[in-house]
Amino acid sequence: GQNIDQPTEMTATEGAIVQINCTYQTSGFNGLFWYQQHAGEAPTFLSYNVLDGLEEKGRFSSFLSRSKGYSYLLLKELQMKDSASYLCAVMDSNYQLIWGAGTKLIIKP
Amino acid sequence: GAVVSQHPSRVICKSGTSVKIECRSLDFQATTMFWYRQFPKQSLMLMATSNEGSKATYEQGVEKDKFLINHASLTLSTLTVTSAHPEDSSFYICSARGTEYSPLHFGNGTRLTVT
Repeated sequence: GQNIDQPTEMTATEGAIVQINCTYQTSGFNGLFWYQQHAGEAPTFLSYNVLDGLEEKGRFSSFLSRSKGYSYLLLKELQMKDSASYLCAVMDSNYQLIWGAGTKLIIKP
Repeated sequence: GAVVSQHPSRVICKSGTSVKIECRSLDFQATTMFWYRQFPKQSLMLMATSNEGSKATYEQGVEKDKFLINHASLTLSTLTVTSAHPEDSSFYICSARGTEYSPLHFGNGTRLTVT
């Protein structure tokens, strides 16, 4: 079967760095996405990785290793507004998105 | 960036009535649109996938006669919840993409409350 694993919840301190991991097992791979979802709101697109390596976009970076079926989202200089759920999703060989359950990130002052 | 508009953002209706939710891609042509449902503190649940001009593909357990999906143009898809019941109360979110490799862009969601 297809499976996306990510931690249920993480806690970090304002101003610090946090890494949210995602491992996946899917039938085929056409890219991995990270989305941010604040409580009561729809998800917003953060990043897309299809090749191995690190993609940096401001305070957020996303890394992919296809051979390991592994990705992480790195958030630097954490702000209180970064408190949200972070969703990892993999596009399989049929171009369908397989979603992880999301990681709830709690930022403390 | 790509914008998806979803309307209404909130709706309260009485049990037994029908509710229509619209999803529009404002600055790109959406070949595929997806409808999700999310209950409080739970993951997104894909309800159906619709391609422009063809019938929607429903996920297992989703009643196609209850959740009517129409994708008549490359910029508009609608979800109609027919004969709504209190258990249909949820957060409904649409998303759209231009090509198979494009990221999904989400509407702001519709919070449906059935009384």
